[in-house]
Amino acid sequence: KNEVEQSPQNLTAQEGEFITINCSYSVGISALHWLQQHPGGGIVSLFMLSSGKKKHGRLIATINIQEKHSSLHITASHPRDSAVYICAVSSGNTPLVFGKGTRLSVIA
Amino acid sequence: NAGVTQTPKFQVLKTGQSMTLQCAQDMNHEYMSWYRQDPGMGLRLIHYSVGAGITDQGEVPNGYNVSRSTTEDFPLRLLSAAPSQTSVYFCASSPTSQPQHFGDGTRLSIL
Repeated sequence: KNEVEQSPQNLTAQEGEFITINCSYSVGISALHWLQQHPGGGIVSLFMLSSGKKKHGRLIATINIQEKHSSLHITASHPRDSAVYICAVSSGNTPLVFGKGTRLSVIA
Repeated sequence: NAGVTQTPKFQVLKTGQSMTLQCAQDMNHEYMSWYRQDPGMGLRLIHYSVGAGITDQGEVPNGYNVSRSTTEDFPLRLLSAAPSQTSVYFCASSPTSQPQHFGDGTRLSIL
């Protein structure tokens, strides 16, 4: 079974700061997901990627397949970015394996 | 679009009671799954289904039953609730094995 580790577990940032959340996994994968869970509890898929880099607004996700590592970056962070960010991986049609999440708080 | 609808949003049960958590999706997705989320732990897969009539166990299936009689619905049954099943439950669906659409969750407390 793939082991997914996220770091840091908790992160507090000042508004405007550049934020990086890391995810590493133990076994080769076909896809990696970044998800966002707001304090209200709902979970939203941000990115699904298998190579390279994807960007959506102020969010950037990168993956290095050889190093089994992905990063999620948030530029110009804002209090509304406060959430738990979750990394998940899959191989073929096997169910997703999730990391424990990184809790981000952005202070105005 | 309704997406994935879970009911109820909150429920309190007594030990030994049974109940069914409902999950419905209107996107014609083949793949549906149930997860539980506990403090300090990642989402853990309880059961999943790759299509109507097909279900399989996930990482933590004990104490839970599922069925998939239609593409739209994937109910999760607790036959005899135990305090260890106190958790937040999420249903998800996707057109493949990559869950991308989550319900809002059901917060379940068992006394």
